[in-house]
Amino acid sequence: EVQLVESGGGLVQPGGSLRLSCAASGFTFTTADLNWVRQAPGKGLEWVSHISGSGLTIFYGDSVRGRFTISRDNAKNSLFLQMNSLRAEDTAVYYCARVSYDFWSGKYSYFMSVWGKGTTVTVSS
Amino acid sequence: SYALAQPPSVSVSPGQTASISCSGDKLGDKHTCWYQQKPGQSPILVIYHDNKRPSGIPERFSGSNSGNTATLTISGTQAMDEADYYCQAWDSSTAVFGGGTQLTVL
Repeated sequence: EVQLVESGGGLVQPGGSLRLSCAASGFTFTTADLNWVRQAPGKGLEWVSHISGSGLTIFYGDSVRGRFTISRDNAKNSLFLQMNSLRAEDTAVYYCARVSYDFWSGKYSYFMSVWGKGTTVTVSS
Repeated sequence: SYALAQPPSVSVSPGQTASISCSGDKLGDKHTCWYQQKPGQSPILVIYHDNKRPSGIPERFSGSNSGNTATLTISGTQAMDEADYYCQAWDSSTAVFGGGTQLTVL
């Protein structure tokens, strides 16, 4: 069974840092693209960052670029999100998800096939 | 930056057909997918590649995408389909979500 389990969330003061982790199982981790998506309380989904299976291709959303860093440890089947300079607007549930990203039938395709249950980050003084 | 627009809410009677739209500039030139999210739960993928259903998703879920609009259609809507639905596409190295549509079955 494909499984993604996030951890590392908590309460942090504005300007602080937090590192999220996502433990994966049930699939070949080294070839799987992954990403982070967040959801502020009562709001919609917001894509945060993407990393390829090799770790060589990385993308960030505009709201986190320069503050957040995505990484992975393929030896430990783990995905990470280092979050620095946190702001109140970063308060959200953070989900990791397995991604399918390819060029299919003449168009780019990007979708998230499996999601974790999420970890909650609260930025407040 | 690219944007996807969805109606905030859609209502449907049980057994009827629900249609949820997602609009964006030349959206038909991109693949679109759809996620269902029930309260307190993680999203699940219900449609990918515009019109394909993942394993385990009921046949009553279907999708289309042409021009500037993608549509999620739920035929014979059931009470269990009441949820938030999000469309998503890929543009300029960014995954873009629509704002979400709350589907009410009443």
